[in-house]
Amino acid sequence: QQQVKQSPQSLIVQKGGISIINCAYENTAFDYFPWYQQFPGKGPALLIAIRPDVSEKKEGRFTISFNKSAKQFSLHIMDSQPGDSATYFCAASIGGETSGSRLTFGEGTQLTVNP
Amino acid sequence: NAGVTQTPKFRILKIGQSMTLQCAQDMNHNYMYWYRQDPGMGLKLIYYSVGAGITDKGEVPNGYNVSRSTTEDFPLRLELAAPSQTSVYFCASKRTSGSYEQYFGPGTRLTVT
Repeated sequence: QQQVKQSPQSLIVQKGGISIINCAYENTAFDYFPWYQQFPGKGPALLIAIRPDVSEKKEGRFTISFNKSAKQFSLHIMDSQPGDSATYFCAASIGGETSGSRLTFGEGTQLTVNP
Repeated sequence: NAGVTQTPKFRILKIGQSMTLQCAQDMNHNYMYWYRQDPGMGLKLIYYSVGAGITDKGEVPNGYNVSRSTTEDFPLRLELAAPSQTSVYFCASKRTSGSYEQYFGPGTRLTVT
């Protein structure tokens, strides 16, 4: 059962453009929604994350928009740069020791930013 | 701090062979996780541990075993390797139940032929 669906699978944008990646989830018990960035041959690294009590979080050029009623969240990368070319994963988890804070990942989006 | 380390980086196994993927963290994290990543797919949780001596199954545990005898180490055992276990394996760790960020290791690329 796929609990977190991510789109698009791949995305090509021009330098300076806006990259938008979307995710939808099913389990309303999720209480933490991170985005991970992965470069080839490396492990994923946390980029930005949001809790469901806020609708938006911004860190530099990266913004998460969160819509609790629609059970959707998205990553916006402003002024996209070639160095942003990577695979991006959305994820969701339920906090607490009983759940183990396990992450459920989306399928990933391969972003290419052309110079 | 070295963070999360994994060995080996690459391994080729024949069908039916066994091996152990090693994972260690030096951040004194209580929680540790094993994921596998297949091409074009997201990461799937294999096993996790919330502390030494405590392990539990994730989404795709079949064909794998784990143990957690110390806080630092969380090895993943493949007993009878199958081609379906060809994947990239990532270990991750997290501080406590009150924190959320998971820190990932560099991965082990395993091919079973």
